[in-house]
Amino acid sequence: EAQVTQNPRYLITVTGKKLTVTCSQNMNHEYMSWYRQDPGLGLRQIYYSMNVEVTDKGDVPEGYKVSRKEKRNFPLILESPSPNQTSLYFCASSSISPTGTGEQYFGPGTRLTVT
Amino acid sequence: RKEVEQDPGPFNVPEGATVAFNCTYSNSASQSFFWYRQDCRKEPKLLMSVYSSGNEDGRFTAQLNRASQYISLLIRDSKLSDSATYLCVVNAGKSTFGDGTTLTVKP
Repeated sequence: EAQVTQNPRYLITVTGKKLTVTCSQNMNHEYMSWYRQDPGLGLRQIYYSMNVEVTDKGDVPEGYKVSRKEKRNFPLILESPSPNQTSLYFCASSSISPTGTGEQYFGPGTRLTVT
Repeated sequence: RKEVEQDPGPFNVPEGATVAFNCTYSNSASQSFFWYRQDCRKEPKLLMSVYSSGNEDGRFTAQLNRASQYISLLIRDSKLSDSATYLCVVNAGKSTFGDGTTLTVKP
């Protein structure tokens, strides 16, 4: 089954404790992306990757890191989480065609609370 | 000004109504356009791609106007199950989502 998986689904942590949210896709997609969703602010892109070893900042990259060492995985790293990073996080992947990025498939989301 | 702006909503309509959403974008280099549906903080799911020629899928019709830089979604004969938040997405390398428009269809 084609899917994007994220782990963990729920996480409560404390300020400053490094954490990693994993994302994996089994569709051989070139494009992967991380978003955060907050009430009243919609979905905002954190980082995206067009292929292995190629990553770019989205609209809200501060406080986050990513890596793309393998095509299927795109982990999101919070080196020193702060309460303003409490949010719902989605990972997504897509193929790329001459007309641009195609349909994005989303993971189920990770609900992060930083106290 | 936001890169992608959607009708703020919410839209509350009776079953059977026709409802239209609009979305404007500012980046003229945008390459691909989509409408997604999101239910109650679950993951967004693709509703329709949007093409310059327009496309229709059952009760749903999407249009793209590159000259005026907007996309639209028309839902005919609304069903209770259409209640959700509808997100427009504009891709130009990075992806930019609109804030979403919430639709509630009432009996």
